[in-house]
Amino acid sequence: ETGVTQTPRHLVMGMTNKKSLKCEQHLGHNAMYWYKQSAKKPLELMFVYNFKEQTENNSVPSRFSPECPNSSHLFLHLHTLQPEDSALYLCASSHMPQGGSTAYEQYFGPGTRLTVT
Amino acid sequence: GQNIDQPTEMTATEGAIVQINCTYQTSGFNGLFWYQQHAGEAPTFLSYNVLDGLEEKGRFSSFLSRSKGYSYLLLKELQMKDSASYLCAVKDSNYQLIWGAGTKLIIKP
Repeated sequence: ETGVTQTPRHLVMGMTNKKSLKCEQHLGHNAMYWYKQSAKKPLELMFVYNFKEQTENNSVPSRFSPECPNSSHLFLHLHTLQPEDSALYLCASSHMPQGGSTAYEQYFGPGTRLTVT
Repeated sequence: GQNIDQPTEMTATEGAIVQINCTYQTSGFNGLFWYQQHAGEAPTFLSYNVLDGLEEKGRFSSFLSRSKGYSYLLLKELQMKDSASYLCAVKDSNYQLIWGAGTKLIIKP
């Protein structure tokens, strides 16, 4: 596997379900990101991990819970979602120098298309 | 507030040239990115501008004017495979990436 992979590619879940999205990067990067992409809207940054430490959390509802066990893997745990959470969830990775800053281009995975019913 | 503006949709003809504009108002500036995203696929990096001027990469060029808060992506010799969305993103003073909503480019034969 090369680049950034995401599973599953498609997910349909009810509002009472619990599910997890998985992301894996094979690029040797040390920073990983979760984005939400809704139709005709800008990408919304949800979470940033730098060297496995969460450095950004852009006021995301607690029904979204990230987990970064190491610099190659990132999870997004989902529970009691709302229909408005239906969107494409993109994972990305990049180099990031210690001390912060999003200094390099990000490489994206293909995304998980999530539908909440 | 911070804002990135791009046209929602553009149409061009195969073999022609198209220019996709991006204007931005951000708290500080540390570079501007262009990404391409085909329907149902991941965004892929196209270009990065941090200084004023034109950067050329094959059929694609990107221009930046920091004083005007303006960039454009120029696509030459358009091919059908260039049909995609083009995303403009700016790094602000905190090195956060601020994204535009993207421009959907439709190429007609």
